[in-house]
Amino acid sequence: KQEVTQIPAALSVPEGENLVLNCSFTDSAIYNLQWFRQDPGKGLTSLLLIQSSQREQTSGRLNASLDKSSGRSTLYIAASQPGDSATYLCAVPTQGGSEKLVFGKGTKLTVNP
Amino acid sequence: DTAVSQTPKYLVTQMGNDKSIKCEQNLGHDTMYWYKQDSKKFLKIMFSYNNKELIINETVPNRFSPKSPDKAHLNLHINSLELGDSAVYFCASSQSLNSPLHFGNGTRLTVT
Repeated sequence: KQEVTQIPAALSVPEGENLVLNCSFTDSAIYNLQWFRQDPGKGLTSLLLIQSSQREQTSGRLNASLDKSSGRSTLYIAASQPGDSATYLCAVPTQGGSEKLVFGKGTKLTVNP
Repeated sequence: DTAVSQTPKYLVTQMGNDKSIKCEQNLGHDTMYWYKQDSKKFLKIMFSYNNKELIINETVPNRFSPKSPDKAHLNLHINSLELGDSAVYFCASSQSLNSPLHFGNGTRLTVT
């Protein structure tokens, strides 16, 4: 059974700092991994989707890496800004190419001005 | 030009009532989903439809019934509401297995 863990549960950093959010999953036979952002009272916004054949994906100040063999992914945020404050969630399929995604509980990030 | 829109945003109702949540996507996606986010913020899939056909039906009480009149709409009907149904319900869509998931802004259901 696929389980997803995100550490830390919460993180508070000063503006400008580079930071790393962690995601681990128990079943490494995944098709892809997605990182999402959730703002309070809002839905989730897809940030990056990494295919199983890829090692990393970049979008602006965000870089996500994937190490399938160890069951880990990281989301690196460069030069953090107060607007980055949100909860970040990662998700992987329950098995192989399943359309069922299993989500982690998220990391609540606060970037202080 | 909202991509995935769901209504209502808030729903407050009493135990035993029947209610519906509507969802529409204008992205041309083939697959739509309902997710439930509980009070601990844990997000879990409930249903998935692909081109109006049910493809995922998680262990959800049969008081919950999804209906997809066409591939752009997936509504959720809940009968005999219970206190434990209080949560935020999210509709989502995707083009394929390997495409990002697009979420609506959620419907906060409160059962009193």
